[in-house]
Amino acid sequence: EPEVTQTPSHQVTQMGQEVILRCVPISNHLYFYWYRQILGQKVEFLVSFYNNEISEKSEIFDDQFSVERPDGSNFTLKIRSTKLEDSAMYFCASKGSGGFGNEQFFGPGTRLTVL
Amino acid sequence: QKEVEQDPGPLSVPEGAIVSLNCTYSNSAFQYFMWYRQYSRKGPELLMYTYSSGNKEDGRFTAQVDKSSKYISLFIRDSQPSDSATYLCAMVVPGNQFYFGTGTSLTVIP
Repeated sequence: EPEVTQTPSHQVTQMGQEVILRCVPISNHLYFYWYRQILGQKVEFLVSFYNNEISEKSEIFDDQFSVERPDGSNFTLKIRSTKLEDSAMYFCASKGSGGFGNEQFFGPGTRLTVL
Repeated sequence: QKEVEQDPGPLSVPEGAIVSLNCTYSNSAFQYFMWYRQYSRKGPELLMYTYSSGNKEDGRFTAQVDKSSKYISLFIRDSQPSDSATYLCAMVVPGNQFYFGTGTSLTVIP
């Protein structure tokens, strides 16, 4: 069964460093998303991406964040200068255009720890 | 006011019990209502979805939506230890972002 994969599973970084979180969406999907979940809190929407551009972003997704689909398979989230409060689980999700339509398939997440 | 409110629990029940999980929301434009299950260290996994008001049943799971009260529920019958997880409600205006509840942590005790 196709699935969304994410690497690394756990990333530890120093405050102020840049990190890149990687995702491989399901191959025929067209819509891509990043969410984050701070420990003990709700899953929060960061950004959606379609047709090689951002279609929607939340207030959390400020200038420190960027997304890219550098090739036909990867979808990345870059945090330019990490802050302590960026420590969270980051989930990638993808969605096709058929079936339920709104069903997003989530990856297992990357745990980011900023020291 | 938060878009979606969900009691975080934790909820602990004996095996075989009926579990009721609930969310309330404020945005009357939401049209799709979903329940996700999240095991520890895993991403959310879609359990069920409902479009607009009404009930939907899938095995031991029943999802209910009451748009007049802005209230949704997930019922789990004959709960099993394998149902132990965090259950997240999520809602969406088609074409827009998902709004998640905080999740309710459920433990089913054998």
